[in-house]
Amino acid sequence: QIQLVQSGPELKKPGESVKISCKASGYTFTDYAMHWVKQAPGKGLKWMGWINTYTGKPTYADDFKGRFVFSLEASASTANLQISNLKNEDTATYFCARGIGIAALFDYWGQGVMVTVSS
Amino acid sequence: DIQMTQSPASLSASLGETVTIQCRASEDIYSGLAWYQQKPGKSPQLLIYGASSLQDGVPSRFSGSGSGTQYSLKISSMQTEDEGVYFCQQGLKYPLTFGSGTKLEIK
Repeated sequence: QIQLVQSGPELKKPGESVKISCKASGYTFTDYAMHWVKQAPGKGLKWMGWINTYTGKPTYADDFKGRFVFSLEASASTANLQISNLKNEDTATYFCARGIGIAALFDYWGQGVMVTVSS
Repeated sequence: DIQMTQSPASLSASLGETVTIQCRASEDIYSGLAWYQQKPGKSPQLLIYGASSLQDGVPSRFSGSGSGTQYSLKISSMQTEDEGVYFCQQGLKYPLTFGSGTKLEIK
């Protein structure tokens, strides 16, 4: 069955970096885009961008340009999100989600990774 | 950016009641719309795609409709397990955008 399994929760200090992984199984990894979505505590969903799993090209939403990097370990069917120079406002749950269709919708989601940034 | 305005923000319904949630896009999204259900501490689950197509495994009491800028999600007979937060999302243009969510509770 199709699964996206993400890494575990993270507690970081402001200014540190974090790398979150998303391991896909049950389908051909390079056939589908991988998207990243942020959910701050008690808030809604915000799309961060996506990575073309065939070419490795990332695309970032405007609010996520600069400190955020999407990458792949295609041989391991894994997508990664790295956030550098962490700020308090980065405290959130980060989801990976498989993108489908001409209209980019998400049919499978990872379980989410809670990143807490606190001094 | 396409703005997605969702209403109501919260809703309580009795078991067996029909529930409707609305989503309005700031421009025509040509049915490029999905609905998701999220339960506390869980990831969102796709319910409806293409505005009206039911995702595999989703109960038939869920249905979606609409076109242009106006869309709706209907739950024809509210069940206990339908409690959660519902989000709409447009997939037509980047950046992809979500509605602010509707919290649905049992009355």
